[in-house]
Amino acid sequence: DVVMTQSPLSLPVTLGQPASISCRSSQSLVYSDGNTYLNWFQQRPGQSPRRLIYKVSNRDSGVPDRFSGSGSGTDFTLKISRVEAEDVGVYYCMQGTHWPWTFGQGTKVEIK
Amino acid sequence: QVQLQESGPGLVKPSETLSLTCTVSSGSISSYYWTWIRQPPGKGLEWIGYIYYSGSTNCSPSLKSRVTISVDTSKNQFSLKLSSVTAADTAVYYCARGGAGTTRNGMDVWGQGTTVTVSS
Repeated sequence: DVVMTQSPLSLPVTLGQPASISCRSSQSLVYSDGNTYLNWFQQRPGQSPRRLIYKVSNRDSGVPDRFSGSGSGTDFTLKISRVEAEDVGVYYCMQGTHWPWTFGQGTKVEIK
Repeated sequence: QVQLQESGPGLVKPSETLSLTCTVSSGSISSYYWTWIRQPPGKGLEWIGYIYYSGSTNCSPSLKSRVTISVDTSKNQFSLKLSSVTAADTAVYYCARGGAGTTRNGMDVWGQGTTVTVSS
């Protein structure tokens, strides 16, 4: 299985400051159709996960534009330009290139 | 806005079969992939498998020998059966919608999740 490694696992941030989460895969996530299937999910405390971004950088409808995704190959990043209180939670990357799809361990974002 | 709701027993005995159903409302089950994901207490997310509305399925190799996923389009429902459960299968089980043509982009609609505990 493809191993997805996130860092850091815990990220204390100050309100209004930027935050960045790294996700690295054990194999390239470029699929034979040319797409890179790397997705990001947010799980707020006590809630179900919610998809934020698919195929590296495509934001879901309703996701604030302070969230952005980037990267290629095996190295990806989720950035929050200015952290707000509602961004507290655990963030997961997920690859959909090599079956079985796999998730990262999660990065817990909390307010300092 | 399509909504998903998991239902089933919250307590299952070891060696027995876990059975869950996901009901899709405010939308059709047709033309989409439908998935099962689980999350052990305090841990991360794990794919169980998915089913297309036509009935074709794919399950995680680590669970494949114990998992059955089925769909009932007449009831707008899909189901999960996990046999020979142990304490390691204790988790919150989520049903979620995959894409119209693929599950590679993950899941865009999730149920609220249901907690299943395996214990005698």
